[in-house]
Amino acid sequence: SQQGEEDPQALSIQEGENATMNCSYKTSINNLQWYRQNSGRGLVHLILIRSNEREKHSGRLRVTLDTSKKSSSLLITASRAADTASYFCATDVYIYKLTFGKGTLLTVNP
Amino acid sequence: NAGVTQTPKFQVLKTGQSMTLQCAQDMNHEYMSWYRQDPGMGLRLIHYSVGAGITDQGEVPNGYNVSRSTTEDFPLRLLSAAPSQTSVYFCASSTRFRAGANVLTFGAGSRLTVL
Repeated sequence: SQQGEEDPQALSIQEGENATMNCSYKTSINNLQWYRQNSGRGLVHLILIRSNEREKHSGRLRVTLDTSKKSSSLLITASRAADTASYFCATDVYIYKLTFGKGTLLTVNP
Repeated sequence: NAGVTQTPKFQVLKTGQSMTLQCAQDMNHEYMSWYRQDPGMGLRLIHYSVGAGITDQGEVPNGYNVSRSTTEDFPLRLLSAAPSQTSVYFCASSTRFRAGANVLTFGAGSRLTVL
């Protein structure tokens, strides 16, 4: 079974709007990461949040982590067409075995 | 730096054939891994290595073989391909867990079809 699950599976918004996607996981983690995958390409690391952190920012990205609810959210502000991609959360119950969710497909319409 | 290089990008095999997917990184990363990505399944870890001569199994290792003779290379072997191994394969590497986290650098992927 998947350790991490993203929600929603797909999200379509207009350029300039904010996009929020969520990740829930089952067992306690050390860190949670978010990756982006453009169509037909490899995954690219976006941001990491540690289990003792609650919120982290990087440019237009804001990540929150609620360990009591075993959930994280990724907010992309002022979305652009170039943000169109799939977004995955990844957790590391065991540091050598990073576990990915099934992803959220974000479409940003110009 | 080329990063993580995977070859081939596309491959079609017949059931029962064998092949090797190549992965090379030029970042001197100790950790390397192979994932497969299937529709609706996300990415699943096949095998990983924490250094030359050291490999271990991931979530879905059956039907795959790996070895790590050098720091740079981590080939994935399919000994007898099956249609269930049709997938997109990603190689990923990381340096030794900087500050306690395994941040992966991915290759561009290899799309394998088994007929």
